[in-house]
Amino acid sequence: DVKVTQSSRYLVKRTGEKVFLECVQDMDHENMFWYRQDPGLGLRLIYFSYDVKMKEKGDIPEGYSVSREKKERFSLILESASTNQTSMYLCASSPNPSGTADGYTFGSGTRLTVV
Amino acid sequence: AQTVTQSQPEMSVQEAETVTLSCTYDTSESDYYLFWYKQPPSRQMILVIRQEAYKQQNATENRFSVNFQKAAKSFSLKISDSQLGDAAMYFCAQATLYNTDKLIFGTGTRLQVFP
Repeated sequence: DVKVTQSSRYLVKRTGEKVFLECVQDMDHENMFWYRQDPGLGLRLIYFSYDVKMKEKGDIPEGYSVSREKKERFSLILESASTNQTSMYLCASSPNPSGTADGYTFGSGTRLTVV
Repeated sequence: AQTVTQSQPEMSVQEAETVTLSCTYDTSESDYYLFWYKQPPSRQMILVIRQEAYKQQNATENRFSVNFQKAAKSFSLKISDSQLGDAAMYFCAQATLYNTDKLIFGTGTRLQVFP
């Protein structure tokens, strides 16, 4: 069974901390994505990557950075966590090009609370 | 820019009845895909149905079907014979192929199913 695994289901961090959210996929997918999910706002794209060491800004990249040193791993970094970054974070991957019915696979999310 | 709009934050339906969830989108691209995803309380995003823009025939998957109106940029989801397990958040999403395939989501519709 193909999988996207997010390292933590729940996370509580303090304001100003550096936070790493990890995502690993075992499908040899080229594309990986980080979304943020908030009530009433849906899923918003933070960053995506279509190859190792490549990254592109999504719609809301401010306050975030990413790292993709290996094909299977895509990390989201909050350099200095703030309370407005309290949210659900979803990772996804897809082959390149996707264009298939089940081309996108999602992790089960990390609920981050910044206090 | 791509946008996806879901104008119904919440919907409810009686078990065994039919419900329709609305979605409109905006894109200047001619080659794209549309999706409906279901997110139950487990948070796992589950693909319900997808539609290729170049296909005129509406997609169907068992009790789920879409009404795709390309000129109107409308993509509604019809759930027939609703079941208690259909209760979830439903997200409409669009992806433009060959543009790193990033998925753009709507704000979601919470569906309640009453016995």
